[in-house]
Amino acid sequence: DAGVTQSPTHLIKTRGQQVTLRCSPKSGHDTVSWYQQALGQGPQFIFQYYEEEERQRGNFPDRFSGHQFPNYSSELNVNALLLGDSALYLCASSLASGVGSPLHFGNGTRLTVT
Amino acid sequence: GDSVTQMEGPVTLSEEAFLTINCTYTATGYPSLFWYVQYPGEGLQLLLKATKADDKGSNKGFEATYRKETTSFHLEKGSVQVSDSAVYFCALSAYSGAGSYQLTFGKGTKLSVIP
Repeated sequence: DAGVTQSPTHLIKTRGQQVTLRCSPKSGHDTVSWYQQALGQGPQFIFQYYEEEERQRGNFPDRFSGHQFPNYSSELNVNALLLGDSALYLCASSLASGVGSPLHFGNGTRLTVT
Repeated sequence: GDSVTQMEGPVTLSEEAFLTINCTYTATGYPSLFWYVQYPGEGLQLLLKATKADDKGSNKGFEATYRKETTSFHLEKGSVQVSDSAVYFCALSAYSGAGSYQLTFGKGTKLSVIP
């Protein structure tokens, strides 16, 4: 049973460029959340997708956008990259969540902006 | 807003020592509480959870009790091993509107266990 898979594992981009990160949820899961983890910090919630709609969004600018496909996989897009966007981006999946539903995380994509 | 505060690290212990990592939270409503662990180069793995007051979550020798009166969820293990070396995150899950629940994490505590 495959868990959450993310691609690519590492990425280097230049300021001002755009990037797309991809995530396949754990089998049977229908909800995908994205988190940004800066070095030495806890993950920060970016947004959550369910039924191909953005259901909730954290305190991130509109440069961060996403998409969920009918097979529940998801993409995170970041436009006009800033140096401060350098971080580990984590995708997590769950069932249409209740408050006690745990998230299953992928290993993340390490984005470096130069 | 919701927040989680956990003890700052790094924490260095000898093998077989007792571990406590403190975690307190602020939340409206009735959150669920979690401990996640992150090994080097990996994503987060759920270690244990508790969904209501006085529940005790346990896994792999780790335990934490949901204390509503002190808004705490401290992580403990009686005898740590070198393989427990990792970063530990305390987190809460609360309703955030539109049918959605999101996790709020603490900053993490790095544990190093030496032989």
